[in-house]
Amino acid sequence: DIQMTQSPSSLSASVGDRVTITCRASQSIGRYLNWYQQKPGKAPKLLIYAASSFQSGVPSRFSGSGSGTDFTLTISSLQPEDFATYYCQQSYSTPRTFGQGTKLEIK
Amino acid sequence: EVQLVESGGGLVQPGGSLRLSCAASGFTFSTYSMNWVRQAPGKGLEWVSYISSSSSSIYYADSVKGRFTISRDNAKNSLYLQMNSLRAEDTAVYYCTRGDCTGGVCSFDYWGQGTLVTVSS
Repeated sequence: DIQMTQSPSSLSASVGDRVTITCRASQSIGRYLNWYQQKPGKAPKLLIYAASSFQSGVPSRFSGSGSGTDFTLTISSLQPEDFATYYCQQSYSTPRTFGQGTKLEIK
Repeated sequence: EVQLVESGGGLVQPGGSLRLSCAASGFTFSTYSMNWVRQAPGKGLEWVSYISSSSSSIYYADSVKGRFTISRDNAKNSLYLQMNSLRAEDTAVYYCTRGDCTGGVCSFDYWGQGTLVTVSS
Protein backbone atom coordinates (compact mmCIF):
# COMPACT_ATOMS: atom_id res chain seq x y z
CA ASP A 1 0.00 0.00 0.00
CA ILE A 2 1.12 3.57 -0.67
CA GLN A 3 1.61 5.56 2.52
CA MET A 4 0.74 9.26 2.50
CA THR A 5 2.38 11.51 5.07
CA GLN A 6 1.27 15.09 5.66
CA SER A 7 3.16 17.81 7.46
CA PRO A 8 2.55 19.52 9.68
CA SER A 9 -0.18 17.62 11.54
CA SER A 10 -1.47 20.89 12.91
CA LEU A 11 -0.86 24.51 12.14
CA SER A 12 -1.87 27.80 13.74
CA ALA A 13 -2.20 30.79 11.47
CA SER A 14 -3.94 34.13 11.20
CA VAL A 15 -6.42 35.52 8.71
CA GLY A 16 -4.47 36.84 5.74
CA ASP A 17 -1.50 34.50 6.21
CA ARG A 18 -0.05 32.38 3.42
CA VAL A 19 -0.07 28.71 4.41
CA THR A 20 1.52 25.65 2.85
CA ILE A 21 0.72 22.03 3.67
CA THR A 22 2.96 19.24 2.42
CA CYS A 23 2.06 15.69 1.43
CA ARG A 24 4.61 12.98 0.68
CA ALA A 25 3.92 9.61 -0.92
CA SER A 26 5.91 6.49 -0.08
CA GLN A 27 6.45 5.88 -3.81
CA SER A 28 6.04 7.88 -6.98
CA ILE A 29 2.38 8.52 -7.83
CA GLY A 30 2.79 10.90 -10.76
CA ARG A 31 0.07 13.52 -10.41
CA TYR A 32 -2.52 11.14 -8.95
CA LEU A 33 -3.06 13.30 -5.89
CA ASN A 34 -6.19 14.97 -4.54
CA TRP A 35 -6.81 17.41 -1.70
CA TYR A 36 -9.93 17.60 0.49
CA GLN A 37 -11.16 20.05 3.11
CA GLN A 38 -13.23 18.91 6.07
CA LYS A 39 -14.96 21.16 8.58
CA PRO A 40 -16.11 19.85 11.98
CA GLY A 41 -19.20 17.67 11.74
CA LYS A 42 -19.28 17.90 7.94
CA ALA A 43 -18.34 15.64 5.06
CA PRO A 44 -15.05 16.24 3.27
CA LYS A 45 -15.12 18.42 0.16
CA LEU A 46 -12.90 17.96 -2.87
CA LEU A 47 -10.69 21.02 -3.42
CA ILE A 48 -8.04 19.96 -5.91
CA TYR A 49 -7.61 16.90 -8.11
CA ALA A 50 -4.71 15.71 -10.24
CA ALA A 51 -2.31 17.65 -8.00
CA SER A 52 -3.17 21.10 -9.33
CA SER A 53 -6.62 21.20 -10.97
CA PHE A 54 -9.36 23.14 -9.20
CA GLN A 55 -12.68 21.53 -8.43
CA SER A 56 -15.54 23.73 -9.57
CA GLY A 57 -16.35 26.52 -7.14
CA VAL A 58 -13.09 26.38 -5.20
CA PRO A 59 -11.66 29.86 -4.53
CA SER A 60 -8.52 30.80 -6.43
CA ARG A 61 -6.60 31.38 -3.19
CA PHE A 62 -6.20 27.60 -3.05
CA SER A 63 -3.51 26.05 -5.24
CA GLY A 64 -1.81 22.70 -5.52
CA SER A 65 1.50 21.65 -6.96
CA GLY A 66 3.90 18.75 -7.15
CA SER A 67 4.41 15.42 -8.82
CA GLY A 68 6.10 12.14 -8.08
CA THR A 69 6.33 11.89 -4.30
CA ASP A 70 6.12 15.49 -3.04
CA PHE A 71 3.05 17.70 -3.18
CA THR A 72 1.89 20.96 -1.63
CA LEU A 73 -1.41 22.69 -0.96
CA THR A 74 -1.09 26.46 -0.60
CA ILE A 75 -3.67 28.93 0.64
CA SER A 76 -2.47 32.36 -0.46
CA SER A 77 -4.44 34.50 2.00
CA LEU A 78 -6.30 32.68 4.75
CA GLN A 79 -9.97 33.50 5.21
CA PRO A 80 -12.03 32.69 8.32
CA GLU A 81 -13.87 29.90 6.48
CA ASP A 82 -10.58 28.13 5.63
CA PHE A 83 -9.95 26.93 9.17
CA ALA A 84 -10.54 23.21 8.80
CA THR A 85 -8.71 19.91 8.41
CA TYR A 86 -7.08 19.14 5.08
CA TYR A 87 -6.38 15.67 3.69
CA CYS A 88 -4.36 14.51 0.72
CA GLN A 89 -5.29 11.26 -1.04
CA GLN A 90 -3.59 9.20 -3.73
CA SER A 91 -5.52 7.65 -6.60
CA TYR A 92 -2.52 5.95 -8.24
CA SER A 93 -3.37 2.51 -6.90
CA THR A 94 -5.83 0.56 -4.79
CA PRO A 95 -6.24 0.76 -1.87
CA ARG A 96 -6.80 4.47 -2.09
CA THR A 97 -5.02 6.00 0.86
CA PHE A 98 -5.26 9.33 2.67
CA GLY A 99 -2.77 11.37 4.61
CA GLN A 100 -3.40 11.65 8.34
CA GLY A 101 -4.73 15.19 7.98
CA THR A 102 -3.53 18.70 8.78
CA LYS A 103 -5.65 20.69 11.20
CA LEU A 104 -5.50 24.40 10.44
CA GLU A 105 -6.40 26.46 13.48
CA ILE A 106 -6.80 30.15 14.18
CA LYS A 107 -3.84 31.76 15.96
CA GLU B 1 -27.71 19.24 -7.83
CA VAL B 2 -25.82 16.08 -6.90
CA GLN B 3 -27.11 14.54 -3.68
CA LEU B 4 -25.98 11.44 -1.82
CA VAL B 5 -28.02 10.46 1.23
CA GLU B 6 -26.86 7.61 3.45
CA SER B 7 -29.05 5.64 5.82
CA GLY B 8 -28.96 2.45 7.85
CA GLY B 9 -26.43 3.31 10.53
CA GLY B 10 -26.96 2.62 14.19
CA LEU B 11 -25.83 0.69 17.24
CA VAL B 12 -24.98 -2.99 16.73
CA GLN B 13 -23.32 -5.58 18.92
CA PRO B 14 -19.93 -7.08 18.04
CA GLY B 15 -20.42 -9.90 15.57
CA GLY B 16 -23.64 -8.38 14.28
CA SER B 17 -24.65 -7.15 10.84
CA LEU B 18 -25.86 -3.91 9.34
CA ARG B 19 -26.76 -2.78 5.83
CA LEU B 20 -26.03 0.77 4.75
CA SER B 21 -27.80 2.41 1.84
CA CYS B 22 -27.01 5.49 -0.21
CA ALA B 23 -29.66 7.16 -2.35
CA ALA B 24 -28.22 9.15 -5.24
CA SER B 25 -29.86 11.92 -7.23
CA GLY B 26 -28.97 14.82 -9.50
CA PHE B 27 -26.71 12.85 -11.84
CA THR B 28 -26.76 9.76 -14.05
CA PHE B 29 -25.96 7.23 -11.34
CA SER B 30 -25.37 4.34 -13.74
CA THR B 31 -22.37 6.06 -15.35
CA TYR B 32 -20.31 6.67 -12.21
CA SER B 33 -18.27 4.44 -9.95
CA MET B 34 -19.04 4.70 -6.25
CA ASN B 35 -17.12 4.21 -3.02
CA TRP B 36 -17.57 3.95 0.72
CA VAL B 37 -15.14 5.90 2.91
CA ARG B 38 -15.23 5.83 6.71
CA GLN B 39 -13.96 7.97 9.55
CA ALA B 40 -13.58 6.66 13.09
CA PRO B 41 -14.42 9.19 15.83
CA GLY B 42 -11.68 11.82 15.99
CA LYS B 43 -9.62 10.04 13.34
CA GLY B 44 -8.75 10.42 9.68
CA LEU B 45 -10.34 9.11 6.52
CA GLU B 46 -10.15 5.46 5.41
CA TRP B 47 -11.29 4.18 2.03
CA VAL B 48 -13.43 1.05 2.47
CA SER B 49 -14.72 -0.18 -0.87
CA TYR B 50 -15.16 0.62 -4.59
CA ILE B 51 -17.68 -0.52 -7.18
CA SER B 52 -17.56 0.33 -10.87
CA SER B 53 -20.55 1.74 -12.73
CA SER B 54 -21.65 -1.67 -14.02
CA SER B 55 -20.58 -3.59 -10.88
CA SER B 56 -17.99 -5.44 -12.96
CA SER B 57 -15.10 -4.31 -10.73
CA ILE B 58 -15.21 -4.37 -6.95
CA TYR B 59 -12.42 -3.73 -4.45
CA TYR B 60 -12.15 -3.73 -0.66
CA ALA B 61 -9.74 -2.52 1.96
CA ASP B 62 -7.94 -5.42 3.64
CA SER B 63 -9.51 -4.39 6.96
CA VAL B 64 -13.03 -5.30 5.71
CA LYS B 65 -12.36 -7.94 3.04
CA GLY B 66 -14.45 -11.04 3.59
CA ARG B 67 -16.82 -9.24 5.97
CA PHE B 68 -18.26 -6.36 3.91
CA THR B 69 -20.03 -6.54 0.55
CA ILE B 70 -20.60 -3.54 -1.70
CA SER B 71 -23.39 -3.55 -4.28
CA ARG B 72 -25.51 -1.17 -6.31
CA ASP B 73 -28.88 -1.06 -8.05
CA ASN B 74 -28.69 1.30 -11.01
CA ALA B 75 -32.44 1.08 -11.57
CA LYS B 76 -32.99 2.44 -8.06
CA ASN B 77 -30.03 4.88 -8.07
CA SER B 78 -28.79 3.23 -4.91
CA LEU B 79 -25.54 2.02 -3.40
CA TYR B 80 -25.30 -0.47 -0.54
CA LEU B 81 -22.80 -1.80 1.96
CA GLN B 82 -23.61 -5.06 3.72
CA MET B 83 -21.48 -5.27 6.86
CA ASN B 84 -21.18 -8.62 8.67
CA SER B 85 -19.08 -9.82 11.61
CA LEU B 86 -18.80 -6.25 12.85
CA ARG B 87 -16.01 -5.33 15.24
CA ALA B 88 -15.48 -2.42 17.60
CA GLU B 89 -12.89 -1.02 15.20
CA ASP B 90 -15.58 -0.69 12.51
CA THR B 91 -17.17 2.10 14.57
CA ALA B 92 -17.14 5.13 12.29
CA VAL B 93 -19.10 7.55 10.18
CA TYR B 94 -19.56 5.92 6.79
CA TYR B 95 -19.64 8.19 3.76
CA CYS B 96 -20.98 7.34 0.33
CA THR B 97 -18.83 9.03 -2.32
CA ARG B 98 -19.03 9.41 -6.07
CA GLY B 99 -15.97 8.52 -8.07
CA ASP B 100 -14.98 10.83 -10.89
CA CYS B 101 -12.03 10.32 -13.21
CA THR B 102 -11.64 13.67 -14.98
CA GLY B 103 -8.48 13.74 -17.03
CA GLY B 104 -7.67 10.20 -16.02
CA VAL B 105 -7.15 11.02 -12.32
CA CYS B 106 -9.88 9.65 -10.08
CA SER B 107 -11.19 11.47 -7.04
CA PHE B 108 -14.12 11.39 -4.64
CA ASP B 109 -15.92 14.44 -6.01
CA TYR B 110 -19.18 14.31 -4.06
CA TRP B 111 -19.82 13.01 -0.55
CA GLY B 112 -22.95 12.23 1.41
CA GLN B 113 -23.50 13.58 4.91
CA GLY B 114 -22.49 10.25 6.45
CA THR B 115 -24.16 7.69 8.68
CA LEU B 116 -22.77 6.65 12.06
CA VAL B 117 -22.17 2.98 12.80
CA THR B 118 -21.41 2.13 16.42
CA VAL B 119 -20.29 -1.39 17.30
CA SER B 120 -20.57 -1.94 21.02
CA SER B 121 -22.06 -4.32 23.54
